[in-house]
Amino acid sequence: QQQVKQSPQSLIVQKGGISIINCAYENTAFDYFPWYQQFPGKGPALLIAIRPDVSEKKEGRFTISFNKSAKQFSLHIMDSQPGDSATYFCAALTQGGSEKLVFGKGTKLTVNP
Amino acid sequence: EAQVTQNPRYLITVTGKKLTVTCSQNMNHEYMSWYRQDPGLGLRQIYYSMNVEVTDKGDVPEGYKVSRKEKRNFPLILESPSPNQTSLYFCASSVYRGTQYFGPGTRLTVL
Repeated sequence: QQQVKQSPQSLIVQKGGISIINCAYENTAFDYFPWYQQFPGKGPALLIAIRPDVSEKKEGRFTISFNKSAKQFSLHIMDSQPGDSATYFCAALTQGGSEKLVFGKGTKLTVNP
Repeated sequence: EAQVTQNPRYLITVTGKKLTVTCSQNMNHEYMSWYRQDPGLGLRQIYYSMNVEVTDKGDVPEGYKVSRKEKRNFPLILESPSPNQTSLYFCASSVYRGTQYFGPGTRLTVL
């Protein structure tokens, strides 16, 4: 079964707009939630990450919002730019020493100029 | 430069012909993983290794083998490749519960 559900599958926004990507999980053993950004022809690269004891983390134009009770987290990209056009993956890591990272299926973001 | 390298980057082979995709990292990371990426399915973990001689299955290990004889290397072995293993493969490394650094990917086609 899919452990991390990501939506939408694709997203088109205008330059300067806000991009929002949502993820939900069921496994309460997850305790680290990174977002990865992948450009065509490249490997994914860590964008930003959050732990469940924090409700929000901001790095520049990128913000993660985390709702522990709802088991949901989301990525907000403020003032979206054409250079942000990429595929974004949310992920989750289980506590207890395993490095088994579980990914959502990805969201392809297109920012139109 | 800190990096994860994979070879080959592109490979076309035929069903049943054993192949190895190499992965090497120069960051002295304990953890290494292999993923496959398929359209609409995202990234799925094949195997991971927590240190030399310590490996464990990910979500889709069938048809794959790995070994970790040296800290820097983590090759992925397909003993008898089949067309359903046609995919984009990524190797990654990390320190304990840290950022996973991904390689550039290996695009494999099995005819």
